[in-house]
Amino acid sequence: EAQVTQNPRYLITVTGKKLTVTCSQNMNHEYMSWYRQDPGLGLRQIYYSMNVEVTDKGDVPEGYKVSRKEKRNFPLILESPSPNQTSLYFCASSSPRQGPNTYEQYFGPGTRLTVT
Amino acid sequence: LAKTTQPISMDSYEGQEVNITCSHNNIATNDYITWYQQFPSQGPRFIIQGYKTKVTNEVASLFIPADRKSSTLSLPRVSLSDTAVYYCLVGDEGSARQLTFGSGTQLTVLP
Repeated sequence: EAQVTQNPRYLITVTGKKLTVTCSQNMNHEYMSWYRQDPGLGLRQIYYSMNVEVTDKGDVPEGYKVSRKEKRNFPLILESPSPNQTSLYFCASSSPRQGPNTYEQYFGPGTRLTVT
Repeated sequence: LAKTTQPISMDSYEGQEVNITCSHNNIATNDYITWYQQFPSQGPRFIIQGYKTKVTNEVASLFIPADRKSSTLSLPRVSLSDTAVYYCLVGDEGSARQLTFGSGTQLTVLP
C-alpha cells in the first residue's frame, strides 16, 4: 500500500531535549516536505526537499533541521525544542509533474508534539 | 509566492451544492490550483487540481476563470461526511518552489 508514515504519532517532551520525528514514504517520490499546523493558521511549510541531499527552507524553518540522506526518508529534527513548537506536524511526499497529468502530495497521518 | 484567500467558514445542508471560492491574485504562469480536504487530526487529502477553465472528477468540479485570479471548488449534493476543512493551494508542485497553504475553509454540513 502506497503510504507516508510518521513516527512517533504523539510525543510529549520538555524544553531543550533534542528530538527527531521520522518520515518515510514507499512511493519512490523525489519530493518531500514538512508542515506544521496550528489552530487558525492552516498548514505552513517548514522545509522541503527536491531529492537526496537537496533541501530548502519553507515558510517557517526557524528551530528545525532536516536531512535527506535516502530518498525514502526525511526526518525532522528539533535540536532544542521550545513550547512554541508545540504543534501538529505533517510530512508529505510527491513526484515532479509529468506533462498535464494531475499531480498531488500524499500526506502522513501527523505527529502531535507537545513541548512543556 | 501566490497567497490565497478563502472564507473562514461555510454552512450547508445535506443534499445541497456547495461552492467555495479561493482568491489568488498573484498566481504565476506555471502555477496550478489544487484543493485538499482535511478531517480533524488527519493529513490533507487531494480532491482536485486544475490550470484553467473547468475540471471535473468523481467528487468535485473546479472552475477557473480566464484571468486565473480565483477559483471555485464545487461539491455536488454534500453529505454530513463532507464536513471538513478545505484548502486551496496555488503553486507548481512540480518545481522547486515552496508551497503555501491558506488558512482553509471549514465546511459544516447540517442535517
